[in-house]
Order: sequence, then structure tokens, then C-alpha cells
Amino acid sequence: NAGVMQNPRHLVRRRGQEARLRCSPVKGHSHVYWYRQLPEEGLKFMVYLQKENIIDESGMPKERFSAEFPKEGPSILRIQQVVRGDSAAYFCASSPRVPGVNTEAFFGQGTRLTVV
Amino acid sequence: DQQVKQNSPSLSVQEGRISILNCDYTNSMFDYFLWYKKYPAEGPTFLISISSIKDKNEDGRFTVFLNKSAKHLSLHIVPSQPGDSAVYFCAAGNNDMRFGAGTRLTVKP
Repeated sequence: NAGVMQNPRHLVRRRGQEARLRCSPVKGHSHVYWYRQLPEEGLKFMVYLQKENIIDESGMPKERFSAEFPKEGPSILRIQQVVRGDSAAYFCASSPRVPGVNTEAFFGQGTRLTVV
Repeated sequence: DQQVKQNSPSLSVQEGRISILNCDYTNSMFDYFLWYKKYPAEGPTFLISISSIKDKNEDGRFTVFLNKSAKHLSLHIVPSQPGDSAVYFCAAGNNDMRFGAGTRLTVKP
């Protein structure tokens, strides 16, 4: 009974490289959310995906960041040409349907990205 | 655009006393509210939720109160225990979830 699995747990990239963060939702969950937590800050919404569709990407920077949730396989958050300011913990959450009072979203343990 | 705000970054209480964590929101379209708890190096875990049509929900030592007219909710933990020490995030949503900045609760033995 695996929960949300994120990998890698830690990722180090040099400035200008690409970072690919993976999120395998709970089996059967079709809704995925990505959040970013900067040091000493809260969770900032980035993007909400539902199998193959981006529902809301209003929290994602328009350049260098992209997300996908293909029909098969994990959801991927991709950051191109990383900069130091991208260093943060990135959390993924999944839910079986639109989250609500009776539908909680489960979080992964996060990927800590460090850009050197 | 911070739609969910937790204005107290930290709170310290004595074991056995009540912890009250506060949260304000701006979007009147939110129809549910949740509290998550987070330990260092772990993902947030769900704690308790409340629908916008209710004003109180209780689960053991945890009670969430919602004041829609004030766009304010609070989480009460009583009695507080040292194991409750963590960062607590308030979240609100309609079709997705928006989180506050979190409040670090420290319960002293």
C-alpha cells in the first residue's frame, strides 16, 4: 500500500542544468498537485494536473518550468536552466478526485533540490 | 496573491495547555478547509478538515472552528503534547488547495 512516492529525495544540479522531479501518486489517484517550499516559507501552489491535463498552472513560473502527468507513468516536474533561486523542497500530493472535506490529498516526502 | 494567511510563524505552549493556531483567508469561494501537520524532512500529513457549511469539527484532541463572516478559522489542540510539536499548515480549496505559510508549534514538557 504505497503512498505518494517522490524521487529523487535529494537532487543537486549546477546552474544551467535541467532538473526532473518525479511523483508517483497513490495507486488509483488521478489528481496530482505540485507545491514548492522555499526555506522558512510555506507551501506555494504550483500546478494541478489531472491525468494528461493541466487543470491549473497559475502558480508555476511561465518560463523554465513545466509539468506533465501522462496516461502511464509518474508525474514529472521539469525545471530547465536551473538557477540558485530554484533551490527548494518540492512536494507532490495526490487525491482520487477533486480534494474536499471528505477527500484528503496525500503528500509525498518531497524532493529537495539544491542548485550549486 | 496570498489567499490563505497564517500570521503567526511560531507558537510555544506548555504541555497540557491548549494550543490555538489561527488562519485567515480572502477567497469567499473556498468550500472546504483543512489542517496539515508537517515534521522536518517529511511531507505534510492530513489532520482535520471542515466544510464551509459547518462552523465546528472535532476529532479527539483536535477541533477546527470556522467563522465564515470573518473569513477565519482556527485549530485548537487540547491538551497539547510534546509530540504535537511540528509545523501546522492551514489549507483552503475549491477545486484545488492553497496553503498558508505555516505556524511552528512547540509544546514544552
